[in-house]
Amino acid sequence: NAGVTQTPKFQVLKTGQSMTLQCAQDMNHEYMSWYRQDPGMGLRLIHYSVGAGITDQGEVPNGYNVSRSTTEDFPLRLLSAAPSQTSVYFCASSRSQGSNQPQHFGDGTRLSIL
Amino acid sequence: GQQLNQSPQSMFIQEGEDVSMNCTSSSIFNTWLWYKQDPGEGPVLLIALYKAGELTSNGRLTAQFGITRKDSFLNISASIPSDVGIYFCAGFPRQGAQKLVFGQGTRLTINP
Repeated sequence: NAGVTQTPKFQVLKTGQSMTLQCAQDMNHEYMSWYRQDPGMGLRLIHYSVGAGITDQGEVPNGYNVSRSTTEDFPLRLLSAAPSQTSVYFCASSRSQGSNQPQHFGDGTRLSIL
Repeated sequence: GQQLNQSPQSMFIQEGEDVSMNCTSSSIFNTWLWYKQDPGEGPVLLIALYKAGELTSNGRLTAQFGITRKDSFLNISASIPSDVGIYFCAGFPRQGAQKLVFGQGTRLTINP
């Protein structure tokens, strides 16, 4: 019953550093997505994928890259971290795309950029 | 892009009281979802609504999909301490159904 697993849970970076946030799901879900959560702003979609090899931009994609080489994994890359990227990042998955497929969330990665 | 306006932003109530929160949009949504987030965890789905006018319950929670398809309501009856947390509405807009849009959240605090 792992569901959606995110690693690491916490990370501190210096401005300009790069890193990859990992996300894995064991439910054979086709649809995966990344959100960031900032105080008073709810969750905002960064990137999403409707299946292996397919990715697309969400609401706030700048400064982030994604890839989907397997159904299970959907890593999020910060190429050159900036203080504005300090946030809590959530990965989510659902069986497929579409409005009748509620998403299941991981427990988040808390990222601080100094 | 589409936005969801969720209110109230915070609520302070006594244990045993009923709670009501709502979410509105200027555009039509296909699906309304209500999530609860506990500290240090990801959002957990409470109720999903798929049809205009639909009323769905999950224990002490009841949610409705507004008939205009532009709003939704969540009610919690007889609140208990474990109801504390942040509640989010979310929805798939009629266009761009791949992208889930979230409200800003309602933080619920309960005094025992």
